[in-house]
Amino acid sequence: DTAVSQTPKYLVTQMGNDKSIKCEQNLGHDTMYWYKQDSKKFLKIMFSYNNKELIINETVPNRFSPKSPDKAHLNLHINSLELGDSAVYFCASSQTRQETQYFGPGTRLLVL
Amino acid sequence: DQQVKQNSPSLSVQEGRISILNCDYTNSMFDYFLWYKKYPAEGPTFLISISSIKDKNEDGRFTVFLNKSAKHLSLHIVPSQPGDSAVYFCAASPTQGGSEKLVFGKGTKLTVNP
Repeated sequence: DTAVSQTPKYLVTQMGNDKSIKCEQNLGHDTMYWYKQDSKKFLKIMFSYNNKELIINETVPNRFSPKSPDKAHLNLHINSLELGDSAVYFCASSQTRQETQYFGPGTRLLVL
Repeated sequence: DQQVKQNSPSLSVQEGRISILNCDYTNSMFDYFLWYKKYPAEGPTFLISISSIKDKNEDGRFTVFLNKSAKHLSLHIVPSQPGDSAVYFCAASPTQGGSEKLVFGKGTKLTVNP
């Protein structure tokens, strides 16, 4: 059983398109996160949700909009995709805001 | 501004020997530190952590050492095994006793040769 899953695994799209990445965790965790790993390999937090409530928003362009329909899901919608959005996006979850984070396998986004 | 630095992009060691991965940080507010291991095409996996109230934490073959005055931590793997070959990320958090807002280093690619 996959604890934190993401779909799709790969996403290739044109500039200007709108796309969504889905994340689901079956660990019963309260907190979920989105990270971006850019071409320089830095892994940086974008958003954090606790019990469906946004608690961290790290100066991410408002083209990025996270949505948490329930505690087990945190989806990432990206509008008007730009070349610089090409990266690997990781979802993670933790039991509480203070506990160890468990990561999904990543979604490799390529914007052409 | 790199708050967590892993200055060695890669490290190669022989099976059975010790692997030492280093990490430096600049933010004195960091008080919780973690190491994650990442295989290609997978997400990072938690390995070991240490709170600033300790200077050492051990879990099997893995030991993390923290030198607060030097703002330096290291991960020791002994003995190293080929399956340890992966990218190792150091991470730090300013949250007391927690890991909510992790700041990651760029990672060090470890290769353990049989």
